[in-house]
Amino acid sequence: AQTVTQSQPEMSVQEAETVTLSCTYDTSESDYYLFWYKQPPSRQMILVIRQEAYKQQNATENRFSVNFQKAAKSFSLKISDSQLGDAAMYFCAPGGSQGNLIFGKGTKLSVKP
Amino acid sequence: NAGVMQNPRHLVRRRGQEARLRCSPMKGHSHVYWYRQLPEEGLKFMVYLQKENIIDESGMPKERFSAEFPKEGPSILRIQQVVRGDSAAYFCASSPTSGGNYEQYFGPGTRLTVT
Repeated sequence: AQTVTQSQPEMSVQEAETVTLSCTYDTSESDYYLFWYKQPPSRQMILVIRQEAYKQQNATENRFSVNFQKAAKSFSLKISDSQLGDAAMYFCAPGGSQGNLIFGKGTKLSVKP
Repeated sequence: NAGVMQNPRHLVRRRGQEARLRCSPMKGHSHVYWYRQLPEEGLKFMVYLQKENIIDESGMPKERFSAEFPKEGPSILRIQQVVRGDSAAYFCASSPTSGGNYEQYFGPGTRLTVT
């Protein structure tokens, strides 16, 4: 079975600073995608960034980037120039064989003004 | 283009009653996924459906839970004889195609409270 581990239940960052959220996973799939989703207090799930496992280049989306280490099965999210609106729960989610997402328990990010 | 719609947003049921949760996918999406989120937890996959077909229900409890996605109308997640442990947020997501390589678009969720 696929598993996802987010070892940081909570993280805090000063506004405008950089923070990295960690994620490791276990999968037997050879070709898959990985996602980071954000869940603000509204509880709406919002896609932050997507990584294709067969691509060596790390995905970047504005202030968000990933450090994808396929051999180590590690998929961390870096948020640069943190903003107050970044405060939320962040979930790492590899795609399963049928397309279903496997979610970690999440990291609660607080942003201090 | 409207996003994924779920209703009701909040549902209160007494133990033993039935709960029906509805999900309308994004226009043009024929793949629907249901997830459950318990307090302080991540989302857990329940079932994956295409129009008129259940593709994967490996995450669905064996009893009391059922799902459908008819040719016309929304997808329905049905919970019979609800118990307190069913209290959770239920999210629906849709995708234009199958496989783990496409983004899933999530609805706002239905928060079920069983009293």
